[in-house]
Amino acid sequence: AQSVSQHNHHVILSEAASLELGCNYSYGGTVNLFWYVQYPGQHLQLLLKYFSGDPLVKGIKGFEAEFIKSKFSFNLRKPSVQWSDTAEYFCAVSPYGGATNKLIFGTGTLLAVQP
Amino acid sequence: DTAVSQTPKYLVTQMGNDKSIKCEQNLGHDTMYWYKQDSKKFLKIMFSYNNKELIINETVPNRFSPKSPDKAHLNLHINSLELGDSAVYFCASSQGTSGGHFYNEQFFGPGTRLTVL
Repeated sequence: AQSVSQHNHHVILSEAASLELGCNYSYGGTVNLFWYVQYPGQHLQLLLKYFSGDPLVKGIKGFEAEFIKSKFSFNLRKPSVQWSDTAEYFCAVSPYGGATNKLIFGTGTLLAVQP
Repeated sequence: DTAVSQTPKYLVTQMGNDKSIKCEQNLGHDTMYWYKQDSKKFLKIMFSYNNKELIINETVPNRFSPKSPDKAHLNLHINSLELGDSAVYFCASSQGTSGGHFYNEQFFGPGTRLTVL
């Protein structure tokens, strides 16, 4: 069965620290990959997505992610976090070209940035 | 302009009651979804409709019945509510197929927090 793993459940960083959140998926075929963010009390917003092409994807608010096909990974990075980045981060995968369009989410990583 | 809207935002009800949550999108998308986010923040797909046709029906109790009167609306009706139904329910939408494949960036609504007492 397809699944997504986010190994960091809770990350605490100080402002200006660098961030890397891990995401691995299990699926043998082509996938579309996403990172969503959920700020406290708000809905999910798309940070960035990968469909094809350059495996290094840049998103909003200075975030980027790198797709490494051989490792089935799509890790999220930001060189310098801010207090306003405190949120829950979800990695999601959607098999490409399937009969359905569902997103399979990881369990989320709660990021707390201390001022 | 709200792209994907849900009503109500909060819903508190007793066990055994029947309730509905409504979702509307003004993005012109063909496909709509319902997701459930449990107390541990885990998000799982429940249903999806494409042009009013049910295309995803995960293993959800049949007390949950989605209804899509048109492609801009996807409502969720829940019968005989149970304690375990307490969760945040998110509606989402995306464009339909492109070249035979689903073009699947999804846009989420603000969520409905359902509390069953």
